[in-house]
Amino acid sequence: GAGVSQTPSNKVTEKGKYVELRCDPISGHTALYWYRQSLGQGPEFLIYFQGTGAADDSGLPNDRFFAVRPEGSVSTLKIQRTERGDSAVYLCASSLFGREYNEQFFGPGTRLTVL
Amino acid sequence: KNEVEQSPQNLTAQEGEFITINCSYSVGISALHWLQQHPGGGIVSLFMLSSGKKKHGRLIATINIQEKHSSLHITASHPRDSAVYICAVRGRGSQGNLIFGKGTKLSVKP
Repeated sequence: GAGVSQTPSNKVTEKGKYVELRCDPISGHTALYWYRQSLGQGPEFLIYFQGTGAADDSGLPNDRFFAVRPEGSVSTLKIQRTERGDSAVYLCASSLFGREYNEQFFGPGTRLTVL
Repeated sequence: KNEVEQSPQNLTAQEGEFITINCSYSVGISALHWLQQHPGGGIVSLFMLSSGKKKHGRLIATINIQEKHSSLHITASHPRDSAVYICAVRGRGSQGNLIFGKGTKLSVKP
């Protein structure tokens, strides 16, 4: 079946602009995670959804970052007033449930470049 | 100090060599993941383990919970194994998010 998909694969924007990144999880997966990976670093946790609600948003760096998952499936990560430091690969993952032993399946990522 | 440390950061090997990548962590965990990331960013889960040892093809992963250490071994390495290998842990009782190491960049030369 289809894996996790993310769109766009690449996004180039100018400093100060607003961007939206989309994640389509595996069908039926209730848990969805957003991570951010800067060049040469491992991914860092941003936010975790269980169903429609954000169960843990402790990784969001500041209030310019926001994410939604209104119907418990597709999620959108929104970044306002982008800064050059926001440039990174944004990864989405999903798992069947948000339980400790459930495997996470990763999407291909969206590479965001802020000029 | 990072909660998940990997070594080495970079590794170059000749085709056919036995490879070991190490991961140490400082938090209590419920599970440890080994992930493979190819150029372009896609991440594939190789193993998820909470005790003992798992094997899949030429890949073997071991974990020692008492010592908070895990190793990923690749036998008979091949150039197509070239990738970044990332260790990630799920904290015990956590909501489910992973804590990642910085990765080990492996290059296998023919």
